[in-house]
Amino acid sequence: RKEVEQDPGPFNVPEGATVAFNCTYSNSASQSFFWYRQDCRKEPKLLMSVYSSGNEDGRFTAQLNRASQYISLLIRDSKLSDSATYLCVVNTGRRALTFGSGTRLQVQP
Amino acid sequence: DTAVSQTPKYLVTQMGNDKSIKCEQNLGHDTMYWYKQDSKKFLKIMFSYNNKELIINETVPNRFSPKSPDKAHLNLHINSLELGDSAVYFCASSPHREGGSPLHFGNGTRLTVT
Repeated sequence: RKEVEQDPGPFNVPEGATVAFNCTYSNSASQSFFWYRQDCRKEPKLLMSVYSSGNEDGRFTAQLNRASQYISLLIRDSKLSDSATYLCVVNTGRRALTFGSGTRLQVQP
Repeated sequence: DTAVSQTPKYLVTQMGNDKSIKCEQNLGHDTMYWYKQDSKKFLKIMFSYNNKELIINETVPNRFSPKSPDKAHLNLHINSLELGDSAVYFCASSPHREGGSPLHFGNGTRLTVT
């Protein structure tokens, strides 16, 4: 089983739609979770950290389910500018962050 | 005010050559990393240094040698380049060594080996 797994997509959604991504992780002792965004041919950039109680930042909501070992990202009212690859990132206990392979989102007009 | 800067941005070279990539961060972070992103877009940790000390060395060929002259710099030297080394190499930094803090990435070095 991979340490961090994501559905690669692509998710093709119309503007204004709500879309959700899940990510599963294998190490039950993982403590830190993040969502990053990567645009084509650019570096990954932190979108948001994921806290145990769930957290929201504008149109973005992140949730953590420790029992089932997954995190989720919900994007409401999708914009064209949300088109990117979303990377799930987990501290797997190796003293570095492990990245999922990413989920590609394409928001269409 | 670039936080993590790496040079060069593009590197095209022939098989068998030796090349270096430089990275500098001005965030005052203690820990720096090299990640490799291959053609399938998968980001893999290669090395991590904390205050000039090597703390992570994944299964990377010994043709790759990181060097950290001080905690603000982490360079990557690659000997005898091979076609399979073609990838985007990202430098990153974080405040702590334990992986609990998010990473700040440089804008990447796109290496093409012909």
